[in-house]
Parts: sequence; C-alpha cells; structure tokens
Amino acid sequence: EVQLVESGGGLVQPGGSLRLSCAASGFTVSSNYMSWVRQAPGKGLEWVSVIYSGGSIYYADSVKGRFTISRDNSKNTLYLQMNSLRAEDTAVYYCARNFCSGGSCYLYYYYYMDVWGKGTTVTVSS
Amino acid sequence: QSVLTQPPSVSGAPGQRVTISCTGSSSNIGAGYDVHWYQQVPGTAPKLLIYGNNNRPSGVPDRFSGSKSGTSASLAITGLQAEDEADYYCQSFDSSLSGLPVFGGGTQLTVL
Repeated sequence: EVQLVESGGGLVQPGGSLRLSCAASGFTVSSNYMSWVRQAPGKGLEWVSVIYSGGSIYYADSVKGRFTISRDNSKNTLYLQMNSLRAEDTAVYYCARNFCSGGSCYLYYYYYMDVWGKGTTVTVSS
Repeated sequence: QSVLTQPPSVSGAPGQRVTISCTGSSSNIGAGYDVHWYQQVPGTAPKLLIYGNNNRPSGVPDRFSGSKSGTSASLAITGLQAEDEADYYCQSFDSSLSGLPVFGGGTQLTVL
C-alpha cells in the first residue's frame, strides 16, 4: 500500500528549529517528485517546497532561506528542516507525492499531488 | 489573498447539483496550466479528486467532474450526498511565481 507518514511536529519557540520527517512505503521517494504543503489553523493550503527526483529543489518565497527540503534514500524518507521559525509558520504540515500521468513528465507543471500523509502539527509560540 | 479565487462557501440539498468555480488569470489557468482539485474533510488530509482538469483518479465517483475554460475552472458535483460535505481546493501553477504550485483559497461545501 502506498503511504506517507509524517512526524516531528511539536511546540517550538520563535526563532527555534524543527525537523519534520515523512516516511514513505509502497514506493521510492528518490524516484518521485515530493512536496511539503502546509495549512495554518482555519486557513487554506499553502505549497511550501518540492524536491525533484533528479534533485532540483524549490521553495515558496515565505520559507526561502529558512527551510530546507531533503531526502534520505536509504530510509526512503523525506525531510523538512525548519529554522528561524515564526508564529506564522504555525500549521499542519503535509508531505505529498507528486505524480505525472502524461507524456511531458520532465516539466513540473504537469504534476499533481496524488498521495498525502495525515500531517504533523507545528506550533510556534513562546 | 490566493492567486486562484474560489467562493468561500456553497451549499445544496441532497441529490442536487453544485458547482465550485476557480478563477485565475493569464499567468496561471489562462497560461494553459492544468487545474487539479482536492477534497478535504475537516480534520483529515486533502485527497486528490480531479487531476489534469477533468480526470478522476480510481475510486472517485463519476458524480465529480471538472472543466476548464479560459482563465477559470469548475468542479461540478451531481447527486449531492451528505458525505460530500467538505472543503474543496483547486490548484494550478503560476508563471509569475516561477512556475510553482498555487492553491485556491478553498470552498466549504455544506449539504443541507
């Protein structure tokens, strides 16, 4: 069964750091495009970051320079290192597999998020 | 303020048909990027509902359909059921944001 399980969330003070993990089963993380998406309390979805199967990485402007996406192929796990955390980073963080069913799968804009984890909650507060 | 605009809420009685709009611009939907739709039951993770404008993943009932025209897209739900009560999000890409993903603000569907 294809599954994603996030962990690592918690309460952290402003300016602090946290590392989120997303363990995958049923498919290989390194062979797929993988994203992080977050949802602030009572708000909508916000795309955070993506890592391509080839290793290219992109971030939303709101987290650029503070968050780092990575993966451990041996553990089949995706990570999100979050530094210099702010109150506005408080959210449920979801990891998602990005999939492409068409022919132009070398372009990110043909991908969609087909498998999602249940999410992990990050609260930034003093 | 989301790049893609959705109505905050829609409602319908069981058995009725409802539509949810997703309005973009020439830098996203109008630029030809595909639109995808996600369903999120409160307290749970989003679930892919429609991909590539009008394709349903396996297991999604054919009561759900998507369309796209110009700078807008729509999600239609026919034969409304109580279990359809959820939040719905459209998603596309935006060339003014380096071709990265953007979501609509979400629409809360209430089944009366």
